[in-house]
Amino acid sequence: KQEVTQIPAALSVPEGENLVLNCSFTDSAIYNLQWFRQDPGKGLTSLLLIQSSQREQTSGRLNASLDKSSGRSTLYIAASQPGDSATYLCAVWNNAGNMLTFGGGTRLMVKP
Amino acid sequence: GAVVSQHPSRVICKSGTSVKIECRSLDFQATTMFWYRQFPKKSLMLMATSNEGSKATYEQGVEKDKFLINHASLTLSTLTVTSAHPEDSSFYICSARESGTSVNTQYFGPGTRLTVL
Repeated sequence: KQEVTQIPAALSVPEGENLVLNCSFTDSAIYNLQWFRQDPGKGLTSLLLIQSSQREQTSGRLNASLDKSSGRSTLYIAASQPGDSATYLCAVWNNAGNMLTFGGGTRLMVKP
Repeated sequence: GAVVSQHPSRVICKSGTSVKIECRSLDFQATTMFWYRQFPKKSLMLMATSNEGSKATYEQGVEKDKFLINHASLTLSTLTVTSAHPEDSSFYICSARESGTSVNTQYFGPGTRLTVL
């Protein structure tokens, strides 16, 4: 059974810092990996999706990498802003591409 | 982009009553919808996969008689929590997969906060 772990569980940084969120998964036979953002009491917003054959994806100040063989992904946020404060969820698609398993999330607080 | 709505956004009910939560795909058709449950400060756990016109597939440990799922049309799936108890209090999120697209085209609703007194 796939297990997804995110470290750290919570992170507080001053505005402007570059930061890295970590995600690891136990079964490397994945279809894709996806990073989401969730604001308190809200649904999910998809940030980046990395195909299993890809190594990274970039969108604005966000960069996500994938090392499928070692079961790891990182989300890099450059020049963090208070508006980045949210919970960031990593999720992996199983090989059949029909099931999404979520990590526990990293709660990020960016202080002005 | 594609939008998924949920209704209600919040509901408070008494123990023993039943609550229905709707999940709608507003501008696309969804053959498959998913229901997730999220406890405070925890991640999302898949409860069931709902396919239009057929029975839902429940994940291990999820009681199908307690969490009734109906997917009667390509734009609507409902989750009914029957005989709700305080331990059913949670945040319920649905997602919808757009028909005819890649398996990763899945859009999430805003969630429904259920509180059972």
